[in-house]
Amino acid sequence: NAGVTQTPKFQVLKTGQSMTLQCAQDMNHEYMSWYRQDPGMGLRLIHYSVGAGITDQGEVPNGYNVSRSTTEDFPLRLLSAAPSQTSVYFCASSYFQGLAGPTDTQYFGPGTRLTVL
Amino acid sequence: QQQVKQSPQSLIVQKGGIPIINCAYENTAFDYFPWYQQFPGKGPALLIAIRPDVSEKKEGRFTISFNKSAKQFSLHIMDSQPGDSATYFCAASMLDYGQNFVFGPGTRLSVLP
Repeated sequence: NAGVTQTPKFQVLKTGQSMTLQCAQDMNHEYMSWYRQDPGMGLRLIHYSVGAGITDQGEVPNGYNVSRSTTEDFPLRLLSAAPSQTSVYFCASSYFQGLAGPTDTQYFGPGTRLTVL
Repeated sequence: QQQVKQSPQSLIVQKGGIPIINCAYENTAFDYFPWYQQFPGKGPALLIAIRPDVSEKKEGRFTISFNKSAKQFSLHIMDSQPGDSATYFCAASMLDYGQNFVFGPGTRLSVLP
């Protein structure tokens, strides 16, 4: 089991460029999410998905798009990078328990450090 | 209402000491409170979690204390070791919010040898 993998580990973009951060998991988890981590602010939810074909917005979705065509993959797209999107991005996955409540088995990837100049 | 406050921002203790990290929340609908540990260059990893129907939970050297009436919970690390040096995040989740977590800003802990 590779768990949750993220690529690339580091990326530098110029303002206005677009790119896709990749996230994949091999645990057959229905639930996947993207967070950004900024100093002194903890982790903030960008987008999440409860299964293939289903996505929804989190706390800070502006400037980001996601899609979920397979259970395994959940890419995050930056449409037109801005310096405010300089951050460390984490993907996470877990089993989805719906109304049964949250799970304690949320696994995080190693992160992608993005710098936008 | 979604915010989770965490203190202190940083903490330095000697080996064997008992660091305590505190968190507070406003939304009484939160019903799951995990703590995550993060080492530099790594993603957060679940350390221990508690639900509001108990006041304390212990796992090894880590203990969560929960005060429902005060809307506060804290992490205690017994007999702390240099290997415990990391950033610790508290978080909260609620049924209406699915499995999405609200995180505190983090506490950077340094345990001196």
